[in-house]
Amino acid sequence: EVQLVESGGGLVQPGGSLRLRCAASGFTFSSHWMGWVRQTPGKGLEWVANIKQDGSEKNYVDSVKGRFTISRDNADNSLYLQMNSLRAEDTAVYYCARGLYSCAFVFDSWGQGTLVTVSS
Amino acid sequence: DIVLNQSPDSLAVSLGERATINCKSSQSVLSSSNSKIYLAWYQQKPGQPPKLLIYWASTRESGVPDRFSGSGSGTDFTLTISSLQAEDVALYYCQQYYSVPHTFGQGTKLEIK
Repeated sequence: EVQLVESGGGLVQPGGSLRLRCAASGFTFSSHWMGWVRQTPGKGLEWVANIKQDGSEKNYVDSVKGRFTISRDNADNSLYLQMNSLRAEDTAVYYCARGLYSCAFVFDSWGQGTLVTVSS
Repeated sequence: DIVLNQSPDSLAVSLGERATINCKSSQSVLSSSNSKIYLAWYQQKPGQPPKLLIYWASTRESGVPDRFSGSGSGTDFTLTISSLQAEDVALYYCQQYYSVPHTFGQGTKLEIK
């Protein structure tokens, strides 16, 4: 069974940093694109970033470029999102998601999400 | 960035009736190189992460009931639920994956009338 479990969320002050981790199991992690999607409480979905199987290609939404870094450790079946210079507007539930094998940029499995709150 | 506009924002349909949700893209998401449409649909129930329903505009994900179907071309797309069931009450989102960022529509809330 595919499992994606996010951790690392919490309350952080504006300007602070957090590192999210997504622990993957139940599939060959190194064979899939992976990504992060966030959802503001009570609002819609925002695609944040994705990363190729070997980490050689990374894409970001403009609002996080230069502040967030997506990375992966295929030996540890883990996906990461390093978030620096956090702003109030980054407050959201962050989902880790797996790219569909046959259509890499759609997400066929999602974690339950981890809440990031940026507030003083 | 490609902007996706869903309509309506909310929809109430009787059990067993057809539900139709629209998604309009600010630019084409049809690839000229492979003739594929880079559009997906997701369902999100309260307290749950999104679930993939449809990709390539009309390909149903494995395990998704056949009452769900996707159609459209170029910039206008539709998700149709042919006979609404109680368990279909949810938020529905379209997403384009033609160009980065892979934006989502604002969502459509589907309820029972």
